[in-house]
Amino acid sequence: GAGVSQSPSNKVTEKGKDVELRCDPISGHTALYWYRQSLGQGLEFLIYFQGNSAPDKSGLPSDRFSAERTGGSVSTLTIQRTQQEDSAVYLCASTSGDRPQHFGDGTRLSIL
Amino acid sequence: AQKVTQAQTEISVVEKEDVTLDCVYETRDTTYYLFWYKQPPSGELVFLIRRNSFDEQNEISGRYSWNFQKSTSSFNFTITASQVVDSAVYFCALSQWGSYGGSQGNLIFGKGTKLSVKP
Repeated sequence: GAGVSQSPSNKVTEKGKDVELRCDPISGHTALYWYRQSLGQGLEFLIYFQGNSAPDKSGLPSDRFSAERTGGSVSTLTIQRTQQEDSAVYLCASTSGDRPQHFGDGTRLSIL
Repeated sequence: AQKVTQAQTEISVVEKEDVTLDCVYETRDTTYYLFWYKQPPSGELVFLIRRNSFDEQNEISGRYSWNFQKSTSSFNFTITASQVVDSAVYFCALSQWGSYGGSQGNLIFGKGTKLSVKP
């Protein structure tokens, strides 16, 4: 597709379970970002991948959060031992060079 | 520290009114980007405009215009003759000049302004 694709669009899980969220960036985009949007905190940066460089993990809120990007394309955000405060919409964005970031529709995560 | 402040949490106007959304930013960088994104009720974030810190020229795109003033660290957004379809949450954002060949860094968002345009 032409845009950033995220899956699943909705995820409901029980507290304590692990979840994986997937992002397919726009083809050819070298940079990929994860953000989180929650009612209390607004839109927060989580992690940034640029090409083959080491990712910028400075926004990850705890060591329960991790992400990887395989082959410079698809990325997976993993949250281990989910807590209720992890409930949010997780947004992925991609870009290349000096272009603005384009966002996917997000994954709405609900922790019961 | 970098910060974006959108002091207006919610604004409600009647169709055809003009409305200005305020954005004030803080950064110690001399080079940076400023952005506006729109998030309609459907949820996707839609890019509207980007400005780099070297370019203080105001911009007009149809009913939208943007006023960038470095002296007051503001990047305000005006919608002229608002329409119901303009109802959305609008986010102002800031990014550093990225460390990779000029690409931008991560976005730092304001809390957003919810605009409701009533018929």
